[in-house]
Amino acid sequence: GAGVSQSPSNKVTEKGKDVELRCDPISGHTALYWYRQSLGQGLEFLIYFQGNSAPDKSGLPSDRFSAERTGGSVSTLTIQRTQQEDSAVYLCASSLVDEQYFGPGTRLTVT
Amino acid sequence: GQQLNQSPQSMFIQEGEDVSMNCTSSSIFNTWLWYKQDPGEGPVLLIALYKAGELTSNGRLTAQFGITRKDSFLNISASIPSDVGIYFCAGHLTGTASKLTFGTGTRLQVTL
Repeated sequence: GAGVSQSPSNKVTEKGKDVELRCDPISGHTALYWYRQSLGQGLEFLIYFQGNSAPDKSGLPSDRFSAERTGGSVSTLTIQRTQQEDSAVYLCASSLVDEQYFGPGTRLTVT
Repeated sequence: GQQLNQSPQSMFIQEGEDVSMNCTSSSIFNTWLWYKQDPGEGPVLLIALYKAGELTSNGRLTAQFGITRKDSFLNISASIPSDVGIYFCAGHLTGTASKLTFGTGTRLQVTL
């Protein structure tokens, strides 16, 4: 079956603009996660959705970052007033229980 | 945020050699996962470990969940060129069966 998909694969934006990143999880997976990976670094947790529960937003670096998950499926990560330090690969993952499966990521470059 | 200590940071090996890498944490983990990431791709799950002391194999890969629940290792036997990539350990902290905490990664390069 289809894996996790993300769009766009690459996004270049000017400092101060807003961006939206999209994630389509594996069908049937109840949990969805966003992570950020800076160049040459490990993955940093951002936010986690599980079913209809309130999301765990403990990893969001600032209030410029927000995410929503509509209908328990697709999720959008929004970054407002982008800064150069937001440049990174944003990875989405989904799971049924413990094993998380990742999408290919969106490479965001803020100029 | 917290990251697991993973070593070595990088390694160059010759094709056919065995490889070993490990991960340590100051906190107890309920689950250990090992991922491989190729350039421009998302991490791919290799092995999942759920029980202290558990030893699990997936082809040429073998991983173990440490008895103390604070460490794990991954072995790759008879390495081949396509083993090149970055290997990450990841785990769930006790009481937080949601977000994964990731290791700093081991970059593996295989020479012919």
